[in-house]
Amino acid sequence: SYELTQPPSVSVSPGQTASITCSGDKLVNKYASWYQQKPGQSPVLVIYQGIKRPSGIPERFSGSNSGSTATLTITETQAMDEADYYCQAWDSSSAWIFGGGTELTVL
Amino acid sequence: EVQLLESGGGLVQPGGSLRLSCAASGFTFSTYGMSWVRQAPGKGLEWVSASAKNGNGYYADCVKGRFTVSRDNSKSTLYLQMNSLRADDTAVYFCAKEEWWGGSPAFDYWGQGSLVTVSS
Repeated sequence: SYELTQPPSVSVSPGQTASITCSGDKLVNKYASWYQQKPGQSPVLVIYQGIKRPSGIPERFSGSNSGSTATLTITETQAMDEADYYCQAWDSSSAWIFGGGTELTVL
Repeated sequence: EVQLLESGGGLVQPGGSLRLSCAASGFTFSTYGMSWVRQAPGKGLEWVSASAKNGNGYYADCVKGRFTVSRDNSKSTLYLQMNSLRADDTAVYFCAKEEWWGGSPAFDYWGQGSLVTVSS
């Protein structure tokens, strides 16, 4: 089992808003990072420090935090956003921690 | 441009050994921590090991005592020596660059991955 819990799958219609949650005690007073991974490709960082976007990541990707839950939100979702998304945190006792991943389907 | 290029993967029998390499370019390698993250077929991401910029190594419990991480800053290369390999070590192994923003670090660059298959 994973220390960070994500829903296995989320579905969204094109143009709508998708929200993917990540919950766990390790997120209390910590920020999550989020990665996008398309089939056969390496993960790409899309959100860090809970709310910040790396250069080149579209503005429709945003992150938020509340207590032990982090949320990745994708507004105006496009077909190209279909991918697996992973949350990640760091803890001094567990080191690097990943969530189990969420498969985002755009249909 | 940051580039991470893994090599050394392949097919190995249970109990065997393999050494992965990750050649880095486009940044000052010696000033960054680096990690290995793996992904078993059809599964999620799992952190395996980290090499701090001072050379200290850190390991996930599942590989502790079997894997050894090291780095050669003169060659900008990260290594992972894997011994006593088991079937459940079968995965794509990614090399990833760490970026530390206070107490919430992340992996800002990833390599393309190297497939390790442990099978008889």
